[in-house]
Amino acid sequence: GAVVSQHPSWVICKSGTSVKIECRSLDFQATTMFWYRQFPKQSLMLMATSNEGSKATYEQGVEKDKFLINHASLTLSTLTVTSAHPEDSSFYICSARGMGDEQFFGPGTRLTVL
Amino acid sequence: QKEVEQDPGPLSVPEGAIVSLNCTYSNSAFQYFMWYRQYSRKGPELLMYTYSSGNKEDGRFTAQVDKSSKYISLFIRDSQPSDSATYLCAMMLSNYQLIWGAGTKLIIKP
Repeated sequence: GAVVSQHPSWVICKSGTSVKIECRSLDFQATTMFWYRQFPKQSLMLMATSNEGSKATYEQGVEKDKFLINHASLTLSTLTVTSAHPEDSSFYICSARGMGDEQFFGPGTRLTVL
Repeated sequence: QKEVEQDPGPLSVPEGAIVSLNCTYSNSAFQYFMWYRQYSRKGPELLMYTYSSGNKEDGRFTAQVDKSSKYISLFIRDSQPSDSATYLCAMMLSNYQLIWGAGTKLIIKP
């Protein structure tokens, strides 16, 4: 099956710093990539949808200046959490869709902001 | 009312039992129906993917969709302790956006 990787898997940072999370589709070209956020014992919340070479579409309530998404190639999307604060601590998951309808998910990145 | 309703559980069953997980939905626009399994602190893993009413079987897993009742189910036969996880139903709109259920935490007791 299709494989999606995320890096890093766990990051701890100080409040006010920026953190970049990478999402890569390893064996297919991702037409669309999605970024989700998941709080403990809750379901996934879609943050934004990005297509290669175009600006991301953010869901209502998600600050686009806070969560910068770049989809520079068909195999790589990045999420940068700018000026992170403790309330940004969460589990961030990306998914990627190729030519079909299915989304394949990365293993997630746990962000802890001190 | 949420678009997708799923009992968060936990659901605890003995090893070897048949597990039944369910979701109901209200939006007739949903075109595809998925079940994902998620272990703690891991990304979701796609288990089953269907688009029409009826049953789809894959090994010990059977997905059932009833569009007339807006109801989907996932059955797990011969459940194993390794099946203990959170099971999320998800439904796809035409723009490929997924709408998620809350997830049901399943515990298989040895």
